[in-house]
Order: sequence, then structure tokens, then C-alpha cells
Amino acid sequence: KQEVTQIPAALSVPEGENLVLNCSFTDSAIYNLQWFRQDPGKGLTSLLLIQSSQREQTSGRLNASLDKSSGRSTLYIAASQPGDSATYLCAVRPLYNFNKFYFGSGTKLNVKP
Amino acid sequence: GAVVSQHPSRVICKSGTSVKIECRSLDFQATTMFWYRQFPKQSLMLMATSNEGSKATYEQGVEKDKFLINHASLTLSTLTVTSAHPEDSSFYICSAIETGETINQPQHFGDGTRLSIL
Repeated sequence: KQEVTQIPAALSVPEGENLVLNCSFTDSAIYNLQWFRQDPGKGLTSLLLIQSSQREQTSGRLNASLDKSSGRSTLYIAASQPGDSATYLCAVRPLYNFNKFYFGSGTKLNVKP
Repeated sequence: GAVVSQHPSRVICKSGTSVKIECRSLDFQATTMFWYRQFPKQSLMLMATSNEGSKATYEQGVEKDKFLINHASLTLSTLTVTSAHPEDSSFYICSAIETGETINQPQHFGDGTRLSIL
């Protein structure tokens, strides 16, 4: 069974810092991995999707990498801002059951002004 | 961008009431939609996969008679919590994937529904 882990569970940084969020998964048989942002009491906003054949994806200040063989993905946030404060979740889509997504428990990020 | 609208955003009702939650894809068609439940400070738990024109696929441990799902069109799925009780109080979130080449299409989420049963 696929297990997705996100470490750390919470992170607090001063504004302007570059930071890395980690996501690991136990089964490398995946179609893709997706990073989301969740604000308190809200749904999820899709940030980046990396296909299994890709190594990274970039959008603005965000860069996500994927090392499928080692079961790891990172989300890099450059020049963090208070508005980046939210919970960040990763999810993998497995090859053997492509309609079941496995989510990590998230990293709660606080960017201090 | 792809927008998923979920209504209502919050429901407070008495025990025994049935509650219907709607999930609409506003600017795309979605053959497949998903219903999740999220407990405080925890990740999302998939409840069921909703398929347009056919029966939903429920995850193990989810009562299909308790959580009725209807996906009557390519833009609308509904979740009805029947005879809700306090233990059904939770945050329910839907997502949709655009019809077509679905394997590498991203999931798009609604804003969730906070259900509180008194």
C-alpha cells in the first residue's frame, strides 16, 4: 500500500527566506505527483503537477522536483512571503489504481513578516 | 483556469437531517469527480469516486447507503449525507478531473463544505 509522508509537519520562517518542503512515497509506481496549497477552512489549490517521466516543474517562485526511483519530491519556494502561509500537501496517483490518490498529511508553513 | 464550485460552504443542522452537497465544474466537463472527508489537522480521506452516468465507487469502510452520490451530468455531482448524526460532522471536499486524457490531468478542488450536526 502506498504511503505518503511529509516532513516537517510545521515550519516557521522569516519573510524572504528560500525554503524546501519534502514529500516521500513508498511505491514508485506512479503516474504523477501533485502539490497543493490549502488555506484554513478552504479546499485545495493545485500548484504543480509532475508527470512520472518529468524531473521538475516550475511556476513563478515555485519549483517542484521528482525523483521517482527514490520516492521523493521537493517543493522549493523562493523568496517566501507572508501570503505563502498555508498548509502544503502532496499527492501521488498510483499506476495500479489511477482513480485513487494518496495524500500526505501536509506541512503547515508560517512566513513571518 | 479550471474552477470547481461547491455548495453550500457551511451547514449546521439537527441530528437526523439529510444534507445535500453539490459539486460543479464550471468551465470544464468532468466524467470523474471525487469526494473526500477531512478531519481537523489531518489529510484528505477519499470516500468515493463519482462517475458520470454510473454508480459511484466507494472506498472500504464508507457506507454507500449513508453517503449517496449522484453524478447525473458531466458538470455536477452531489453527495447526500442521509440521516446525519454528530459523528458525521466534518469537512467534505470534492474534486474533479477534466474529461479527456485524464491520467496526467490535475485534480481541481472545490472550497469544501463544513458540516456540523447538532
